[in-house]
Amino acid sequence: NAGVTQTPKFQVLKTGQSMTLQCAQDMNHEYMSWYRQDPGMGLRLIHYSVGAGITDQGEVPNGYNVSRSTTEDFPLRLLSAAPSQTSVYFCASSYSPVGRVEANVLTFGAGSRLTVL
Amino acid sequence: RKEVEQDPGPFNVPEGATVAFNCTYSNSASQSFFWYRQDCRKEPKLLMSVYSSGNEDGRFTAQLNRASQYISLLIRDSKLSDSATYLCVVNLNTGGFKTIFGAGTRLFVKA
Repeated sequence: NAGVTQTPKFQVLKTGQSMTLQCAQDMNHEYMSWYRQDPGMGLRLIHYSVGAGITDQGEVPNGYNVSRSTTEDFPLRLLSAAPSQTSVYFCASSYSPVGRVEANVLTFGAGSRLTVL
Repeated sequence: RKEVEQDPGPFNVPEGATVAFNCTYSNSASQSFFWYRQDCRKEPKLLMSVYSSGNEDGRFTAQLNRASQYISLLIRDSKLSDSATYLCVVNLNTGGFKTIFGAGTRLFVKA
């Protein structure tokens, strides 16, 4: 059981370039989300999805796009990379954002380290 | 004000010590609560869910006080392997479904 798979693990971009961080889960989770983690600031929610075809913004959505065409995949697109987007990005999923506490537990991918020069 | 606030630490304790972490949350509509553990350069992993009646898992005890909007984690008999960052996490279900993380409390357990 792979869980949550993120690619790439490392990426260096130049300012203005675009790229997509991939996230896939094989647990049939409804809820998927993207976070960025910066020193001293903890994890901040970028975008999330409660099911295929449904996405919504988190705390820090500017400069990022998402789509959820299937239950399994939730890619994060950087439209025009900026140095401020240098960070570690985590994708996470859970069975559901509501209901039983156990269903809300997030499973994380291993993270993607992005540097924008 | 941050939605979830934690003392950043670091907490430096000897092996065998008891250490307590506190966390406050601002949204009274918060629905579920968790403690996650994150090792250096790794992804966060669930340590334990926090139930209204309080719950214990071995050396770890979590408490929730909804009236004060306060969550705690107690670690007894600290081990070297407990060294990590502990993240307080809250689920919100108001105008969207969001899981909000505190910035984390760093723990160092020394021999």
